Amino acid sequence: NAGVTQTPKFQVLKTGQSMTLQCAQDMNHNSMYWYRQDPGMGLRLIYYSASEGTTDKGEVPNGYNVSRLNKREFSLRLESAAPSQTSVYFCASSERGAGVTNYGYTFGSGTRLTVV
Amino acid sequence: AQKITQTQPGMFVQEKEAVTLDCTYDTSDPSYGLFWYKQPSSGEMIFLIYQGSYDQQNATEGRYSLNFQKARKSANLVISASQLGDSAMYFCAMRDIYTGNQFYFGTGTSLTVIP
Repeated sequence: NAGVTQTPKFQVLKTGQSMTLQCAQDMNHNSMYWYRQDPGMGLRLIYYSASEGTTDKGEVPNGYNVSRLNKREFSLRLESAAPSQTSVYFCASSERGAGVTNYGYTFGSGTRLTVV
Repeated sequence: AQKITQTQPGMFVQEKEAVTLDCTYDTSDPSYGLFWYKQPSSGEMIFLIYQGSYDQQNATEGRYSLNFQKARKSANLVISASQLGDSAMYFCAMRDIYTGNQFYFGTGTSLTVIP
C-alpha cells in the first residue's frame, strides 16, 4: 500500500547508545518531517526536509541528526540516546508547502522509543 | 508563540450525541490551512478534515464538520452521532505561508464516547 513506512516500530535503548530511525515514502512527496509526540505536548517538529538535498531544524532538534538520503528516504539519528528522548516518533511527508496550504501530511505508523 | 491552542484535554460524549472539539489558532497570514487529525489508541495519525482560509463554506466530511469562524480565529471540529470508535485523541493543526512546509499542532483533546 502507498504511504509512509517507518522502522522499527518499537525500540529500547540504553543511555548513550545510538540508533537510526528509518522512514521511506512512495508518494513522490517533496517534503518530509520528523516529529516527536509526548503526553500533554502534542507533536513537536524535530527536523524537516523541504526537498531532496535540504534539511532544517524544527522546534526540538537538540540531540538529533537527519539525513535526506534521496527523495524517498529521510532518516533520524540519535547519536547518544538520553532518557529525555523517550517518546513516540512520527515521520510524515507532504507535497511542498510554499504558497500552498491545502496539502496535508501522510504519517507513518510511529516508533515507540524507550531510553533506559 | 503558540500557534494552535486546544483547551480541552479531555471530553466525554454519550453515544449518538454530537460533540464539539475546540481549536483556536494564531496567524497574521491571510492564507492558511487548518486540519484535524484523529489518533486512536493504536497510535496512527488519521487525517479527518481540511479548511482553507479562503473557503466560503465550512468543510464537511461525513459525520465530521469544521465550524470555521475566521474573525474569532477558531476552527472547531464537530462530530455528529458519536460512535464508540470515535474514542481517540484529536489534534488540530495549521499550515500557513509563513510556516510554509511546517505544520503546527495543538496539544490534543482526548475524546471518550460513553455507551
